[in-house]
Amino acid sequence: DQQVKQNSPSLSVQEGRISILNCDYTNSMFDYFLWYKKYPAEGPTFLISISSIKDKNEDGRFTVFLNKSAKHLSLHIVPSQPGDSAVYFCAASAQGGSEKLVFGKGTKLTVNP
Amino acid sequence: KAGVTQTPRYLIKTRGQQVTLSCSPISGHRSVSWYQQTPGQGLQFLFEYFSETQRNKGNFPGRFSGRQFSNSRSEMNVSTLELGDSALYLCASSLGLMETQYFGPGTRLLVL
Repeated sequence: DQQVKQNSPSLSVQEGRISILNCDYTNSMFDYFLWYKKYPAEGPTFLISISSIKDKNEDGRFTVFLNKSAKHLSLHIVPSQPGDSAVYFCAASAQGGSEKLVFGKGTKLTVNP
Repeated sequence: KAGVTQTPRYLIKTRGQQVTLSCSPISGHRSVSWYQQTPGQGLQFLFEYFSETQRNKGNFPGRFSGRQFSNSRSEMNVSTLELGDSALYLCASSLGLMETQYFGPGTRLLVL
């Protein structure tokens, strides 16, 4: 039973355009969400997070949107750059982040020059 | 500040053997979590330690165990290795239980 789902295994976008990575969750107890980026041969790197009391969090080119009623969150990267090419993991936790993180399987983003 | 370090980076074992992986957290971080990454399952949580105590545990068999030392360094042990244990094992550290986690580069384990 996968509680955090990233239904697109891969995504390809053109440099300068918007990248939208999606994530759905089933556990209504989740109230803290994170995105991680992973390059080959490296561990995941924390990108951005959002708690359930907000519906949007922005950090530079990265914005995360949370739709609690739909149990859906998305990561927007604007403008996309070739260096953004990586695997992006969505993760969720309950109890404000004190519970263990549950990860999606990841989406491989390729930004073409 | 040095990041999370994991040793060894690569490991080849045979079925039935046991293996110990090591993780040194970022200085000052007291929480260490372990994850298994496989192509089919993505990232799966193994366990989390804080102040030498296991605080959370994922759905893995008892062959997977871990511990944390007083200096926050952590080890993970897998006994009676199976082919399906071949994976990238990631360690992450954080200041506390509710803080953002920072990952190490991982140990890639191949079981033959």
